[in-house]
Amino acid sequence: DAGVTQSPTHLIKTRGQQVTLRCSPKSGHDTVSWYQQALGQGPQFIFQYYEEEERQRGNFPDRFSGHQFPNYSSELNVNALLLGDSALYLCASSLAGGVNQPQHFGDGTRLSIL
Amino acid sequence: GENVEQHPSTLSVQEGDSAVIKCTYSDSASNYFPWYKQELGKGPQLIIDIRSNVGEKKDQRIAVTLNKTAKHFSLHITETQPEDSAVYFCAAYPPDDMRFGAGTRLTVKP
Repeated sequence: DAGVTQSPTHLIKTRGQQVTLRCSPKSGHDTVSWYQQALGQGPQFIFQYYEEEERQRGNFPDRFSGHQFPNYSSELNVNALLLGDSALYLCASSLAGGVNQPQHFGDGTRLSIL
Repeated sequence: GENVEQHPSTLSVQEGDSAVIKCTYSDSASNYFPWYKQELGKGPQLIIDIRSNVGEKKDQRIAVTLNKTAKHFSLHITETQPEDSAVYFCAAYPPDDMRFGAGTRLTVKP
């Protein structure tokens, strides 16, 4: 049973560039959430996708956008990268039913901005 | 919005001892409280969770207690083992948000 998979595992970008991160949910899950985890901190909720729509959003600027595909996989896009965007980006999947459902996390994409 | 505080930030125990990590939350509408374990280079792994209609839940060596009146919940690990060493995060989920604590680095000394 495949868990949550994320790609790439590591990425280096420069300020002002754009990046796309990808996530495949755990088999049987239809909801995908994205988090940003800065070094030494807890994950911060970016947004959640269900039925190809953004269902909920945390306190992140519009530079952060996403997409969910019919097969439930998802992408996180970040435009106009800033140094402060350097972090571990985590994807979590769950079953429909709201944000308060058990979430299964992938191992993340480590994004470094130079 | 929800604010979750987690204590202590670091915890060191001897193998076989118990470890307790405490979290407080601010939003009385929060109704789901999971705990995650994160090992180096890995994503958070759900280890136990509790909903607001339950006061305590146990799973082998791990237990979670919830005090809705005081708005705090705790993780209890008994008979700790070196493989329990990791960073532990609590989280509180109101109906429209989700917030994590800052984490507790647990070290179990053999």
